[in-house]
Order: sequence, then structure tokens, then C-alpha cells
Amino acid sequence: AQTVTQSQPEMSVQEAETVTLSCTYDTSESDYYLFWYKQPPSRQMILVIRQEAYKQQNATENRFSVNFQKAAKSFSLKISDSQLGDAAMYFCASAGSGNTGKLIFGQGTTLQVKP
Amino acid sequence: EPEVTQTPSHQVTQMGQEVILRCVPISNHLYFYWYRQILGQKVEFLVSFYNNEISEKSEIFDDQFSVERPDGSNFTLKIRSTKLEDSAMYFCASTGGRVGDTQYFGPGTRLTVL
Repeated sequence: AQTVTQSQPEMSVQEAETVTLSCTYDTSESDYYLFWYKQPPSRQMILVIRQEAYKQQNATENRFSVNFQKAAKSFSLKISDSQLGDAAMYFCASAGSGNTGKLIFGQGTTLQVKP
Repeated sequence: EPEVTQTPSHQVTQMGQEVILRCVPISNHLYFYWYRQILGQKVEFLVSFYNNEISEKSEIFDDQFSVERPDGSNFTLKIRSTKLEDSAMYFCASTGGRVGDTQYFGPGTRLTVL
């Protein structure tokens, strides 16, 4: 079974600063994928970043990057130069390759960005 | 850019009534999913659908739920007899050629059961 844990219910960051959101996961799959999704107040789920577990290199998307530590089963999201529009709920999720690709989500972290 | 669409955006129904939530996935996608999110909680997997059949369902997806892909574009979730605890946001998602590809989510349908 897959589990995803986000231990920070809420985080805050000053505009233009950097913040890191934590995520740990557990899976029996040998090949899997990890994701961060952003959910603004509109509740739309928006992909932030995707990581393939077999790739050593950490994924990056503009101001967003991950620190993927496979042995520790850790997948944290770093947001650089935080902007007011980054304020949202962030969900970490995993998907195995051996099943249907269903996403298992963590509990979410609410990020507040202070001007 | 192609997107997943869902209708209605908000559905209010009486307990015991049937509801159908509709989704139009991205046109060349092959895998389809329904998730739900009770207010303030995490997103939970309900069901996945591939090759015109259910490929996996969660324990939430009991006999009151069903899914259909009646034509080449629509993907529906039916709840036969709604309960108060079915009140949630329901998201449809689709992905392209293989599991592990990015799932693209629709904007969701907020279901309120009175």
C-alpha cells in the first residue's frame, strides 16, 4: 500500500523569500512517480512538478524545485522567490507504475505568503 | 491548451436522490479517474477507468457509485442514492498514454446533499 505524509499543516513565508514544504511517502512499488499539486481557493488542482523515481536528478520548474531523497523516501518542494500568487494548499502525491496510476495524496500544507 | 471540463460546477440535491456528475476528459487521453475531497480534507481516490472498464476502485466506491463512458467524450459518475456524507468536491482527471503520466484535473463539481 502507498502512503503519503505531509507533517506541516500550515507554513508561511515572506514575499520574495524561499520556503520548503515537506513530504514523506511509503510504497512497495519499485517504480513510481511523485507529484506536487497546488490547490488555490478556487479548489482547482494544478500540477506544480513531477518526479520520476528512477531519475536521480531533482525536477525543477522555474521557481519550484524538489529535493528527492529516495532512500529516505522524502520528496520536499522548494519555492524560491515566493509570490503572493503562490498562496494555496499544496498536496504531495504518489502514483505507482504497476497499478492503475491512481494518485495517493498527503493531507496538504496550507502556504501563506506575507507581503 | 486542452483541458478537462466538468459539469455542473455546483449541484445541490436532497438525500436519497440520484445525481450524475459529468466530465469531458482531454480527447486523446486513455486513463480516467474520479477523486473526491471533503471540505478541509485530503483528496481521495474513488475509481479509475481504462479501456471501457473499471480498472481499480477504492473502498469508498461502493454499490451506490457507478461510472460510465457512454460515448467517446463523456465520463460520468453516478451516485444512486445520495447521503449527507457524500457532500464533497468531486474531481475528474485524465492522463495520456501510460500510468505515471501527469493527471490533469477538471475544476471539480461541488456536491451538496441536504
